[in-house]
Formats: sequence, C-alpha cells, structure tokens
Amino acid sequence: ILNVEQSPQSLHVQEGDSTNFTCSFPSSNFYALHWYRWETAKSPEALFVMTLNGDEKKKGQISATLNTKEGYSYLYIKGSQPEDSATYLCASTTGGGNKLTFGTGTQLKVEL
Amino acid sequence: ETGVTQTPRHLVMGMTNKKSLKCEQHLGHNAMYWYKQSAKKPLELMFVYSLEERVENNSVPSRFSPECPNSSHLFLHLHTLQPEDSALYLCASSPGLAAYQETQYFGPGTRLLVL
Repeated sequence: ILNVEQSPQSLHVQEGDSTNFTCSFPSSNFYALHWYRWETAKSPEALFVMTLNGDEKKKGQISATLNTKEGYSYLYIKGSQPEDSATYLCASTTGGGNKLTFGTGTQLKVEL
Repeated sequence: ETGVTQTPRHLVMGMTNKKSLKCEQHLGHNAMYWYKQSAKKPLELMFVYSLEERVENNSVPSRFSPECPNSSHLFLHLHTLQPEDSALYLCASSPGLAAYQETQYFGPGTRLLVL
C-alpha cells in the first residue's frame, strides 16, 4: 500500500443498523492514524488519533481499532442514527512529521 | 465550532483576478495548514507553517502564495489561477508541539470557482 485507501466509498444503512468501514495505510515508517468526521457544509471534526498496534478508541457509539503491522484501521458505528450521516476520513502520518495523508473518505447515509 | 474561521466561504474569480483567502484560529496554536480538496480526490496538503515560518511547500504552483503574518492568521493569495484550481480550500491549525499525533482543527473551507 502506497497511499491511504478507504472502503467502501459510500454506504447507505437504516437507522439502528451497525456498520463499519476500513482504512488501509502504508505500514512502513508509520507514526499515527487519524479519523475525522465531516458533515456537509461544516468543518472536519477529529474523532480519534491512534499510534500503537492494537489501539482501540471509543467515543459514544463510535469505536476504532488499529493494526499497524498489516496497515489497516476499522471504524465501527453501533446503532447508526441519521445524525451519524457524514463523510468519515482517515489520515496517516509517517516519518514523525505533522503531514497528514488523507484517504478519499467513506460517505455514510443513515436513513429513517 | 472548531475555533478556526475562514473567509470568504464562497469565491468566484476570473483567471486574471487576484484574490486572497483568509484563515484565523482562536485556539492559541502554533502550526497552520492549507489543504485543497478537488472533486473525488483526497484532501491534499499544500503548505505548513510552524511559528509563522513555512516548513512545507508541497510542490504547489507559484500562482498560490501563502502568508502567515502571525500565529493566528494565515492567508492564501491567488493570482492568475486556472479553471482546474476550482476546489474547496481548507485551513487547519494544530498546537505545533507534538507533531505526528496532534489533532488538526479545520475551518469550514472556501469553495473557489475559477472561470
């Protein structure tokens, strides 16, 4: 993996469904993995920063895991609500600097 | 509200115009960033400033000229842009201390259309 890749590109679920998305990133020289939530016409909002292999972070009904050896992170949303509709971005930092390399995002739409 | 504001929110300009985008952060951060997002593409880092000094220029054409007069303000001066420069331009800031694990705080962006 040379770039940060996210899948799926978009997702439509029903209210109450649980869902998850994947972020793949270069595992060499890895320093940190960031997840952001971006609602339309608003600013991207930070969800998690993870640095250690096996890290798990949780914020309300949203959680994330990190596997630095194989270069992937999962984001889980339990019991999706319409207000969870947004684009979820992941970004990796390599080389110890503050340069984030972003994926194209997963666009989630939660319908009633 | 993330504490990062951007003006204007929308801008339409001709290829011969000169315009500037403004970003202001109210978080006491030391690092500021310009990103570009074109349709269907990831956020792309353009410039990084740390303590008002440019520390990264990500191979950006010279028709984009950043300015950081102090740690709270960041400008992007635009001159003789091309239609393919139409995009969403996002500003961000971070504390500037812990580098790779720092959260970046984003503004809402300026939607630019070049005719």
